[in-house]
Amino acid sequence: QVQLVESGGGLVKPGGSLRLSCAASGFTFSDYYMSWIRQAPGKGLEWISYISTASDKISYAGSVRGRFTISRDNTKNSLFLQMNSLSAEDTAIYYCARDVENYYGPGNYYAAVFDVWGQGAVVTVSS
Amino acid sequence: TVLTQSPATLSVSPGDRATLSCRASGTVSSNLAWYQQTPGQPPRLLIYGASTRATGIPARFSGSGSVTEFTLTISSLQSEDFGVYYCQQYGDWPTFGQGTKVEIK
Repeated sequence: QVQLVESGGGLVKPGGSLRLSCAASGFTFSDYYMSWIRQAPGKGLEWISYISTASDKISYAGSVRGRFTISRDNTKNSLFLQMNSLSAEDTAIYYCARDVENYYGPGNYYAAVFDVWGQGAVVTVSS
Repeated sequence: TVLTQSPATLSVSPGDRATLSCRASGTVSSNLAWYQQTPGQPPRLLIYGASTRATGIPARFSGSGSVTEFTLTISSLQSEDFGVYYCQQYGDWPTFGQGTKVEIK
């Protein structure tokens, strides 16, 4: 069945780094744009980054731009999120998600719906 | 685009109808999706395009609206429907509402 499984979460000190992975199965990973979305404890959902099928189009939310890097390996059906300079505000569950109904709007904004989600990776930033 | 969901909490008896609202700060056309999240689980896509049910979603879930005003209706609440519901717009960079918690009355 269609599945996404995140790994790599954990406890990290402020200023530290962490790399999340997302393993995809049950669908042709290379055909889909992918995103990372996070949810702080007791809070709502925040889209933070997307990557195109060929990795030639990438964008980030302002809250993580310059600190986080998204990447993918289509030969291994895997999505990654490198997180640097972490702070307490980055504490959250991080979900990888498959993008559908996606398009580029006027002004080059990226829009998508997220039809498959992983179970999430818990990231805690604390000293 | 900021999405405002109301009410924050909705208390409903099993078998009753639930109506959830989502208002956008700017026009999103019909680019509006709804998700359900139960405790300890990731969000599940219910509706996209304001009114199209995602694969496998029961017919008791329906969506309506356009431009800036949207509604999710659950016609007869089942026990598995209790949880938090989020709207998400994709008429611009994706953003989510703050959620409506549907609880047992």
